[in-house]
Amino acid sequence: DAGVIQSPRHEVTEMGQEVTLRCKPISGHDYLFWYRQTMMRGLELLIYFNNNVPIDDSGMPEDRFSAKMPNASFSTLKIQPSEPRDSAVYFCASSLRSGHYNSPLHFGNGTRLTVT
Amino acid sequence: AQKITQTQPGMFVQEKEAVTLDCTYDTSDPSYGLFWYKQPSSGEMIFLIYQGSYDQQNATEGRYSLNFQKARKSANLVISASQLGDSAMYFCAMITNDYKLSFGAGTTVTVRA
Repeated sequence: DAGVIQSPRHEVTEMGQEVTLRCKPISGHDYLFWYRQTMMRGLELLIYFNNNVPIDDSGMPEDRFSAKMPNASFSTLKIQPSEPRDSAVYFCASSLRSGHYNSPLHFGNGTRLTVT
Repeated sequence: AQKITQTQPGMFVQEKEAVTLDCTYDTSDPSYGLFWYKQPSSGEMIFLIYQGSYDQQNATEGRYSLNFQKARKSANLVISASQLGDSAMYFCAMITNDYKLSFGAGTTVTVRA
């Protein structure tokens, strides 16, 4: 059974460029989460979806960040324009929650983003 | 807002010994779930163990056990018989009725041979 798949694994881009991170959740999972991990701020929840609908985007740092989930098997996180302070590891995670707390989040391997 | 506190930034443990990682949490919700994740140097996040706020028994998964003290709002992870492969960062996390999983700052464990 395939886990959460993220692409690319590594992304190096110049300041001002658009960056798109991709995620394929585990089939059948109804929740999808985007997290960012940095040394300074740890793991931060950016946004999460339930049944493809964005539920809470209060963690999105600013308007340069946007996320979509056009269908149950695909989500994107876009940064436009990118800045050096966006450099981090971005994780996508999915879970089968269905109203219960005890379903763990399954994480992808992350995308390491470096903005120069 | 909920808050997770892990006060130990780093710990050393001798191989085959047990180690306890501290986690305290703060929430006003009566229903919540507590998770522990492992992040090895390769970077992936691995789910270890779960404890529900209404669970009467402490959770156990192989060499991992969770010492849940609800009145003290603590959910410490115990790793028994440490192995070299246990060297990693460990994160405590909590979910409440908003379905958002919030993480602590993490504890780095280094197992010595």
